[in-house]
Amino acid sequence: QKEVEQNSGPLSVPEGAIASLNCTYSDRGSQSFFWYRQYSGKSPELIMFIYSNGDKEDGRFTAQLNKASQYVSLLIRDSQPSDSATYLCAVINYGQNFVFGPGTRLSVLP
Amino acid sequence: DTAVSQTPKYLVTQMGNDKSIKCEQNLGHDTMYWYKQDSKKFLKIMFSYNNKELIINETVPNRFSPKSPDKAHLNLHINSLELGDSAVYFCASSSLAGNEQFFGPGTRLTVL
Repeated sequence: QKEVEQNSGPLSVPEGAIASLNCTYSDRGSQSFFWYRQYSGKSPELIMFIYSNGDKEDGRFTAQLNKASQYVSLLIRDSQPSDSATYLCAVINYGQNFVFGPGTRLSVLP
Repeated sequence: DTAVSQTPKYLVTQMGNDKSIKCEQNLGHDTMYWYKQDSKKFLKIMFSYNNKELIINETVPNRFSPKSPDKAHLNLHINSLELGDSAVYFCASSSLAGNEQFFGPGTRLTVL
């Protein structure tokens, strides 16, 4: 089992819809969780981080964390074509190592 | 003003050569990293380094070596380049190990 797993996609949603991106992790001792966005040919950029169970909202983005289920998700409301990118889930595991998932490619269709 | 910078942006070289990629951060961060992103876009950590400790991913060949002249710089030296080394290499930094990381623009390495 890989330490951080994501569906590779592509996930296609129409403009204005909610995009839901999911991530699971194997290390139950993981404490910190991050979502990065990477446009093609560019470097990853941090969108959100979450440390506690529950939801965290920032503009159109909501991160959800469920440590019992070892699951973290990112919701993007009112999706725009400019949101089309690869979304990387990253976890800091119990050993303080930063581990990225393989990423989910999101395509928002106009 | 760039937070994390890398040079060169593109690097094309022959098999067997030795090359270096430079990284500098002006964020005052204590920890720096090197990542390799292959053609499948999987981002894999190679090294993490602060002034006191170098952590090497055990899968990284010893042809790769990080060198840090000071806290703001972490350069990557690669000896005897192989075709499989072709990838995009990202430098990143964080204020502390375990905090969010900020990435440089990447260096696309092509080995012919």
